Amino acid sequence: NAGVTQTPKFQVLKTGQSMTLQCAQDMNHEYMSWYRQDPGMGLRLIHYSVGAGITDQGEVPNGYNVSRSTTEDFPLRLLSAAPSQTSVYFCASIPAAGDFRNEQFFGPGTRLTVL
Amino acid sequence: DAKTTQPTSMDCAEGRAANLPCNHSTISGNEYVYWYRQIHSQGPQYIIHGLKNNETNEMASLIITEDRKSSTLILPHATLRDTAVYYCIVRVISASTLGRLYFGRGTQLTVWP
Repeated sequence: NAGVTQTPKFQVLKTGQSMTLQCAQDMNHEYMSWYRQDPGMGLRLIHYSVGAGITDQGEVPNGYNVSRSTTEDFPLRLLSAAPSQTSVYFCASIPAAGDFRNEQFFGPGTRLTVL
Repeated sequence: DAKTTQPTSMDCAEGRAANLPCNHSTISGNEYVYWYRQIHSQGPQYIIHGLKNNETNEMASLIITEDRKSSTLILPHATLRDTAVYYCIVRVISASTLGRLYFGRGTQLTVWP
């Protein structure tokens, strides 16, 4: 298994541009999440999904959209990038429901800079 | 709201035990304690979790006080590769919270030779 993969690894945008951060997992995990991490800070939850077709907001959802059309993919969209969205973005997934104690598996991250 | 308090940084000599404390004085009866770590620039990695009993796995041990208001993560024989930021997290175990982890700033553990 490739686990949780994220693309791109690095991205530079200009203010106002849009883009989609890709996240995929091949472990048949139902639950997926997006976090951002700013320098010297812990991770903050942006959006999460408990299954295909179901998404919900986390701590810092403003400026981001998500969708979950398949179990494998959970893209994060920035409709109009702002410098405040400069951050490292991590995607995570959790094994199938049944044991809610299961741990999250994190991807390697996408480093985004908005000029 | 991370609901936990951890020291900002700690040091440990290689080969010695690293004991990382965490205060969670407002923890509820149905909240578990989780530990993750993040090695520089990588995604966080799960270490261990527990409710009220002490737990041990191949990576670490988790000691939870009887009143559950604090816990200690123990790395029994720290190596240089254990240098990382360690996060202590509490969460209710349910379907609605499964995808939600609230990270604080964690403890930067530095293991020196």
